[in-house]
Amino acid sequence: NAGVMQNPRHLVRRRGQEARLRCSPMKGHSHVYWYRQLPEEGLKFMVYLQKENIIDESGMPKERFSAEFPKEGPSILRIQQVVRGDSAAYFCASSPTSGGAYNEQFFGPGTRLTVL
Amino acid sequence: EDKVVQSPLSLVVHEGDTVTLNCSYEVTNFRSLLWYKQEKKAPTFLFMLTSSGIEKKSGRLSSILDKKELFSILNITATQTGDSAIYLCAVVVRETSGSRLTFGEGTQLTVNP
Repeated sequence: NAGVMQNPRHLVRRRGQEARLRCSPMKGHSHVYWYRQLPEEGLKFMVYLQKENIIDESGMPKERFSAEFPKEGPSILRIQQVVRGDSAAYFCASSPTSGGAYNEQFFGPGTRLTVL
Repeated sequence: EDKVVQSPLSLVVHEGDTVTLNCSYEVTNFRSLLWYKQEKKAPTFLFMLTSSGIEKKSGRLSSILDKKELFSILNITATQTGDSAIYLCAVVVRETSGSRLTFGEGTQLTVNP
């Protein structure tokens, strides 16, 4: 059973370009979470999605960032017009259910975004 | 606003030492507390704690939760250089739309030979 997969593992973009980060959850998992880890900081929640629905996007910056989790295919975190401050490690996690008391999220290897 | 605070932020010890990492929290609708170990890659799951006073153990690692005083500790005995990592504490918070994690800043543990 493959774990959470993210690609690319490393992404370099110039200021103003777009970045697309992909996350394939574990088999059987329908809940996806995106986190950002800035240098010298902890993991920060960004957004929580189920298939075709954004459940909680309270951690997403108001502009330039968007996320989707279509019925088919991976979840995508999209950053438009990237700036140097977007340079960070972006982690995706998945869980089989969010409603139970014993929620455990499995993390992908992360995508390291570098904005030049 | 939910808050998870870890201490110390960094810790340097020698192999064989015992360390205690702390995590305190102030959140609404607490569900559980999770400990992760993060090396140069994604965090890996260590423990999940939902009930007070019940110690979870895995080898040289153990953890316990105090829901009255709103904190948890992670103990590592007989530390090894391979224990060097960032240890993250996260609290699962229940919301109307589901649940999500709030992370602390992490404790950077360095174990020297």
